[in-house]
Amino acid sequence: EAQVTQNPRYLITVTGKKLTVTCSQNMNHEYMSWYRQDPGLGLRQIYYSMNVEVTDKGDVPEGYKVSRKEKRNFPLILESPSPNQTSLYFCASSQIPGRQETQYFGPGTRLLVL
Amino acid sequence: AQSVTQPDIHITVSEGASLELRCNYSYGATPYLFWYVQSPGQGLQLLLKYFSGDTLVQGIKGFEAEFKRSQSSFNLRKPSVHWSDAAEYFCAVGAPGNQFYFGTGTSLTVIP
Repeated sequence: EAQVTQNPRYLITVTGKKLTVTCSQNMNHEYMSWYRQDPGLGLRQIYYSMNVEVTDKGDVPEGYKVSRKEKRNFPLILESPSPNQTSLYFCASSQIPGRQETQYFGPGTRLLVL
Repeated sequence: AQSVTQPDIHITVSEGASLELRCNYSYGATPYLFWYVQSPGQGLQLLLKYFSGDTLVQGIKGFEAEFKRSQSSFNLRKPSVHWSDAAEYFCAVGAPGNQFYFGTGTSLTVIP
């Protein structure tokens, strides 16, 4: 089944404790992206990647890192999480880099930073 | 700068009534426009998209949207709403540099 998976689905952590949220897709998509969703703000793009070893900042990249060592994986790294990073995070992928391509979304990761 | 505006934070409609969700965009070139739906506790599912051609696009679940360049709008419509349509709806635009911008969403409540 074609899908985007994220792990973990739920995470509670404390300020400053490094964490990684994994994202994997099995559709051989080149484009992958991370978003955060906050009430009243909709989805905001954090980082995106057009291919292996190619990453770019989205609208709200501060406090986040990403890597794209393999085509299928695009982990989101919070080196020193803070409470303002408490949010719902979505990973997405699409077939080729391009703003016209449909993005497929993962189920989301709900993060609480205490 | 690109932006997407969904002016209605929350809409309530009766089951069987028609629905229109508004979306306005700010974009300097030909936009690529999307509508997504998010059911409670779920990820986002694509309803429909507009790239070019016919300005009235059909999507899944009986939804349609009309692109109006003169009004910079891409409103979502459904002639008869079902209780299962209760969800949050997001309009989005694909921008240069492969970034995507989403609206803040419209929450739909369907009453019997």
